[in-house]
Amino acid sequence: RKEVEQDPGPFNVPEGATVAFNCTYSNSASQSFFWYRQDCRKEPKLLMSVYSSGNEDGRFTAQLNRASQYISLLIRDSKLSDSATYLCVVNNPTGRRALTFGSGTRLQVQP
Amino acid sequence: NAGVTQTPKFQVLKTGQSMTLQCAQDMNHNSMYWYRQDPGMGLRLIYYSASEGTTDKGEVPNGYNVSRLNKREFSLRLESAAPSQTSVYFCASSTGGGYTEAFFGQGTRLTVV
Repeated sequence: RKEVEQDPGPFNVPEGATVAFNCTYSNSASQSFFWYRQDCRKEPKLLMSVYSSGNEDGRFTAQLNRASQYISLLIRDSKLSDSATYLCVVNNPTGRRALTFGSGTRLQVQP
Repeated sequence: NAGVTQTPKFQVLKTGQSMTLQCAQDMNHNSMYWYRQDPGMGLRLIYYSASEGTTDKGEVPNGYNVSRLNKREFSLRLESAAPSQTSVYFCASSTGGGYTEAFFGQGTRLTVV
């Protein structure tokens, strides 16, 4: 089983739509969770951290479910500029002291 | 606002050639990482350095060596390049050894022919 699993998509949605991505992780001891955004042929950049109580940043809402070991990202009122690949990222406290990245979910927002 | 700087941005090597990818960060971070990214496989950790003077293997270390030259610099060396090492390589750094966000360089696109 992969340490971090995501649906690769693509998710094709119209502008203004609400879209949600889920991600599951295998290490129950993980403590740090993030969503990164990666544009085509660019480096990954932090979109938002994910906190236990859930958190919101403008049109973006992240949720964490520790019992089921999944993380979600909700994007409301999608913009063309949201088209990108979204990477679910989890830390690995019981092994290598580095972040583990999912393969990413590709989002394409259409006019 | 340089952040993490990688050189070169593009490189074509012949099988068996060697090269070193350079990475430097100016954020005073303790931890530095090298990842490779292949289509459909996400980012995979090659090597990391939790602090100056230490390096450890990641998920896919075979065929690579690293040097943490000082707190700022972390280089990745391919001793004898193989076509399987064709990939995009990202260097990253962070403050907190895997607990905090990582900042990435712009990447090196390497093709081995």
